[in-house]
Amino acid sequence: DAGVTQSPTHLIKTRGQHVTLRCSPISGHKSVSWYQQVLGQGPQFIFQYYEKEERGRGNFPDRFSARQFPNYSSELNVNALLLGDSALYLCASSLGLAGGSGELFFGEGSRLTVL
Amino acid sequence: AQRVTQPEKLLSVFKGAPVELKCNYSYSGSPELFWYVQYSRQRLQLLLRHISRESIKGFTADLNKGETSFHLKKPFAQEEDSAMYYCAPYPLEGSQGNLIFGKGTKLSVKP
Repeated sequence: DAGVTQSPTHLIKTRGQHVTLRCSPISGHKSVSWYQQVLGQGPQFIFQYYEKEERGRGNFPDRFSARQFPNYSSELNVNALLLGDSALYLCASSLGLAGGSGELFFGEGSRLTVL
Repeated sequence: AQRVTQPEKLLSVFKGAPVELKCNYSYSGSPELFWYVQYSRQRLQLLLRHISRESIKGFTADLNKGETSFHLKKPFAQEEDSAMYYCAPYPLEGSQGNLIFGKGTKLSVKP
């Protein structure tokens, strides 16, 4: 099993542009969570999707959106990019909702640089 | 406000020395508690969870409800323990279904 896969691994955008990040969960996992990790900080929760429905949203502006597809893969979209959106974006999958006795399995992340 | 604090950004010890990585949380109710670890050039991964009462790679974590702490301990540190460690409570009440990560502590074990 390849584990959680994310694409692209690195990308550079300019302010005002739009970006789409993709995530494929571990086979059999129905939940995908997205986190933003700025250099020197811990991962910050953005979204969680379970069975294709949004189950949680962190304190991020409406420029951030996501969705989960029937095959449980997920996309994170960020519009009108700002310099402060430069970060490592982590995707994590889990069998059920994260937390409790659940365990998050992380991808290697997509590193976004906004110039 | 819900908060998790890891007071040390960097902890440096010598091989064989005891190590304690501190974590304090402030939540209503009793959250589930996890420690995640990221070794160099590897993915963030679960180290241990409180509910399992387990010891992983010699690490244990004690929940102190009175002090709302969940410190990670190991009696004899090894060089391969060098990594970033994140405390991650899961607040059962008012949760949006997500883990909340602390800022992390970088553990450096010197030979």
